[in-house]
Amino acid sequence: SQTIHQWPATLVQPVGSPLSLECTVEGTSNPNLYWYRQAAGRGLQLLFYSVGIGQISSEVPQNLSASRPQDRQFILSSKKLLLSDSGFYLCAWSVGGAETQYFGPGTRLLVL
Amino acid sequence: RKEVEQDPGPFNVPEGATVAFNCTYSNSASQSFFWYRQDCRKEPKLLMSVYSSGNEDGRFTAQLNRASQYISLLIRDSKLSDSATYLCVVRRPSGGYNKLIFGAGTRLAVHP
Repeated sequence: SQTIHQWPATLVQPVGSPLSLECTVEGTSNPNLYWYRQAAGRGLQLLFYSVGIGQISSEVPQNLSASRPQDRQFILSSKKLLLSDSGFYLCAWSVGGAETQYFGPGTRLLVL
Repeated sequence: RKEVEQDPGPFNVPEGATVAFNCTYSNSASQSFFWYRQDCRKEPKLLMSVYSSGNEDGRFTAQLNRASQYISLLIRDSKLSDSATYLCVVRRPSGGYNKLIFGAGTRLAVHP
């Protein structure tokens, strides 16, 4: 069966520090991968999606970047965190263009 | 205006009650519809898809009105374990792929 992992689970970082969040998927090949952010009291906002290695599409201009160095690995990064980057970051995967997306456990980021 | 609108609640209901959540969406290009459930500080999980003819899964009934761009979820015989946030989700084309748009969620609290 397929599983999706994210780490770390929680993170407290100072403003201006770098960020690297990792997501890996097991049990499937060539998944579509997604990064979402959920701010308190708000809906999930799609940040990036990827249909293959090295293929990244950005949904909104922001302080973050994403990379997909391997088929089942998706990384979210920032060179300098802002206070507004605080939130709950969720990685998700789907099989190609399938409708259902499955979410990882998320990383809760607090920027101080 | 948000593309997917939900009443944030909370809906506080006793065990055994019937409760209904509503959702409206603004983009007529939306093709597929879902309800996700999100427990506190956890990732969203798919509860059920919503079909034009309406569909039922145990105590849960989902309905779609494309003409009014309106989706509903009915929960009968509420259980304590139903306490969660319910996210209304639509899927529509965006830049060559199908994108999920999430509502901010409706919070349900079931009490003894």
